[in-house]
Amino acid sequence: EVQLLESGGGLVQPGGSLRLSCAASGFTFSSYIMHWVRQAPGKGLEWVSAISGVGGRTYYADSVKGRFTVSRDNSKNTLCLQMSSLRAEDTAVYYCVKVYFTSGDYAGPFDIWGQGTMVTVSS
Amino acid sequence: EIVLTQSPATLSLSPGERATLSCRASQSVSGYLAWYQQKPGQAPRLLIYDASNRATGIPARFSGSGSGTDFTLTISSLEPEDFAVYYCQHRSNWPATFGQGTKLEIK
Repeated sequence: EVQLLESGGGLVQPGGSLRLSCAASGFTFSSYIMHWVRQAPGKGLEWVSAISGVGGRTYYADSVKGRFTVSRDNSKNTLCLQMSSLRAEDTAVYYCVKVYFTSGDYAGPFDIWGQGTMVTVSS
Repeated sequence: EIVLTQSPATLSLSPGERATLSCRASQSVSGYLAWYQQKPGQAPRLLIYDASNRATGIPARFSGSGSGTDFTLTISSLEPEDFAVYYCQHRSNWPATFGQGTKLEIK
């Protein structure tokens, strides 16, 4: 069974840092670009970041560029999102998502979603 | 950045009725548009990809159409479990963006 399991969320003060992880299983992790998508409480979905299958290319939304860093370890089937200089508007559920298509830098569609991890930025 | 505008914001229908949801892009996304369903407390679920292809396990009552800038998600006969929020999303270029969502509620 294909699964994504996020961890690392929590409460952090404005200006602080947090590292999210996503453990993938049930598919050939290195063959897929992986993404992070977030959803603020009561709001819609916002694409955050992506990293190519072998990690050479990264993509970021303007809202997080320069503050967030996406990375992956294909030997451990793990995706990470290092978040720094956090702001109140970064408060959201963060989803790790897999694209449907293999072997390419696809910006969707997203066929597998994790359960999400909540990040709250507040003093 | 391509902006996706969904309409209506809220759609009130009864089980058995036909639902038609719209997604309009600020510029052409070719056929690279997907639809997702999200229920409260759950992650989104992929319904339709590349405008008209049903994802694995999605019932035939869900169908998608359109190309360029105008797209439609149709649910032919609503089941009780279909009442949820629906989002469109394009993959035409970076950044990927989502529409703001249409809430399908029971009338």
